[in-house]
Amino acid sequence: GAGVSQSPSNKVTEKGKDVELRCDPISGHTALYWYRQRLGQGLEFLIYFQGNSAPDKSGLPSDRFSAERTGESVSTLTIQRTQQEDSAVYLCASSSGTSSGTQYFGPGTRLLVL
Amino acid sequence: AQSVTQLDSHVSVSEGTPVLLRCNYSSSYSPSLFWYVQHPNKGLQLLLKYTSAATLVKGINGFEAEFKKSETSFHLTKPSAHMSDAAEYFCVVNRLYGGATNKLIFGTGTLLAVQP
Repeated sequence: GAGVSQSPSNKVTEKGKDVELRCDPISGHTALYWYRQRLGQGLEFLIYFQGNSAPDKSGLPSDRFSAERTGESVSTLTIQRTQQEDSAVYLCASSSGTSSGTQYFGPGTRLLVL
Repeated sequence: AQSVTQLDSHVSVSEGTPVLLRCNYSSSYSPSLFWYVQHPNKGLQLLLKYTSAATLVKGINGFEAEFKKSETSFHLTKPSAHMSDAAEYFCVVNRLYGGATNKLIFGTGTLLAVQP
């Protein structure tokens, strides 16, 4: 597609439930990133995929968070046993993978945990 | 470690007057610096990028930023504000480590209001 797409755009869930967020990167982009944006704050890095290399998971806040990506295609971010503090906008970005490659962001998934 | 500090959480200007959004960075090497804009309920959009070429960088919608190493600053400016400029602006530095992850470090954002 023309840009990064994410689904769902909004998700409301109950505390303790699992959620799965999806990201479709720009075609041909080898690098994919997940960020979290809490209300009124900047973005926090969560995880990074580059081609078939092992992902950089250094930003994941707890073991309840995990992400997968098959090759250079779709990625899913899974949050298990959601907590209220997980409420945030989850943003996905992709880039061409070079060291100075610009990251292009999707519209985000707004997650609300009740 | 790389970091950015946006000095103002809120800036309010009148339409037609200049815009100045301030950003200071900290980096142990020559960084790449970015300004992103986020309009309400829309995704982040890249305004401009500095990657050690010209120190004065021109971006979209009439915005520009000047990289000043001596002041460790990368302030965003526009000569004349438009109502459509009202949005949140993020100053961003990249963090390269291990030759791998091009991790972006975001500032806390500056909310720009434009008064008629």
